Amino acid sequence: AQKVTQAQTEISVVEKEDVTLDCVYETRDTTYYLFWYKQPPSGELVFLIRRNSFDEQNEISGRYSWNFQKSTSSFNFTITASQVVDSAVYFCALRGSGGSYIPTFGRGTSLIVHP
Amino acid sequence: EPEVTQTPSHQVTQMGQEVILRCVPISNHLYFYWYRQILGQKVEFLVSFYNNEISEKSEIFDDQFSVERPDGSNFTLKIRSTKLEDSAMYFCASSPDWVEQYFGPGTRLTVT
Repeated sequence: AQKVTQAQTEISVVEKEDVTLDCVYETRDTTYYLFWYKQPPSGELVFLIRRNSFDEQNEISGRYSWNFQKSTSSFNFTITASQVVDSAVYFCALRGSGGSYIPTFGRGTSLIVHP
Repeated sequence: EPEVTQTPSHQVTQMGQEVILRCVPISNHLYFYWYRQILGQKVEFLVSFYNNEISEKSEIFDDQFSVERPDGSNFTLKIRSTKLEDSAMYFCASSPDWVEQYFGPGTRLTVT
């Protein structure tokens, strides 16, 4: 069975602070995919990143960076110099490849960035 | 940039009524999905659809639910007899490669 844990329910920061959102996953599949999505107050789901299990390179995209560590089954997301527009709920998701392709989402972390 | 669209954005219906939620996936995508998100909770998979048939479905997707691709562009989710607990945001998604999914803006369904 797959599981995604986002232990931080809500994080509150002041603008320009760096913030890391944690994601820990469990799967028996040897090949799997990890995702982060952003859900702003308007409600849509915005794809941020996809990572394959066989690619452990960390990735940076502007102020966003992701740290994938297979050894600890974690796929953490860092926002550098946070901005008010970053305020949203962020979901981590896992999708396996061993028979079932049903994705599992974490419960989400609500990030509030204060001006 | 192509995007997934969903209509209506908000649907209010009475308990026991049938509703059809509509989605237009990205045109060259082959895999289609429905998810739901009860207010304040996580996103839950409902069903995936490929090659004109259901690929997988979750426990939530019971006999009250059905999906259809009636023509080359639309992908619909039908709830036959709505219950109060069906109130949620319903997201459609499409994918070119069954991995990377592009979500629509969602339809908020309110059952009264």
